[in-house]
Amino acid sequence: GAVVSQHPSWVICKSGTSVKIECRSLDFQATTMFWYRQFPKQSLMLMATSNEGSKATYEQGVEKDKFLINHASLTLSTLTVTSAHPEDSSFYICSAQVAGVAETQYFGPGTRLLVL
Amino acid sequence: TQLLEQSPQFLSIQEGENLTVYCNSSSVFSSLQWYRQEPGEGPVLLVTVVTGGEVKKLKRLTFQFGDARKDSSLHITAAQPGDTGLYLCAGVKYGNKLVFGAGTILRVKS
Repeated sequence: GAVVSQHPSWVICKSGTSVKIECRSLDFQATTMFWYRQFPKQSLMLMATSNEGSKATYEQGVEKDKFLINHASLTLSTLTVTSAHPEDSSFYICSAQVAGVAETQYFGPGTRLLVL
Repeated sequence: TQLLEQSPQFLSIQEGENLTVYCNSSSVFSSLQWYRQEPGEGPVLLVTVVTGGEVKKLKRLTFQFGDARKDSSLHITAAQPGDTGLYLCAGVKYGNKLVFGAGTILRVKS
């Protein structure tokens, strides 16, 4: 089956630093990847849609300059949380959509970010 | 604005009991998906329902899509402790974006 990995699985950083999270589709090509944020015991909130070779589309209320997304290849998208603050602490999950197959997203295992 | 209302938010039952989780919306979706998520992991797709009135079964899980494609339900028969987890419904909208419900935390006690 389609496998999506995320790295790192968890990260602790100091306030003001930047953190990069990678999302990889391991055995398929993904023209579109999605980034979600999930707070404890809550649902997933879509942050942005990342298309290979083009700028990401951000959901309303998500700061594009704070959450930088790069989708440089068909198997890799990165999310960089710039100048992280404690309120950015959350569980970040990516999903990858199989090229040519709509409505099928495969989710990564998530990255737990804790900003001190 | 939460487009998908999911209920109940929390359910604690004994092993062997049956349960139903509901997902309702005023919007029409091209399809609706159900996921199960365990703590510290990403959601795992259980099923996709596409046709209004569709019923799909996955072992002890029965999924139903409303005739108008605005609501769905998940019924679990004879719940087991291994069913414990967060259940999420998600509607597929334009651009293949997923709109998630708030989730239902299910705890099955042995």
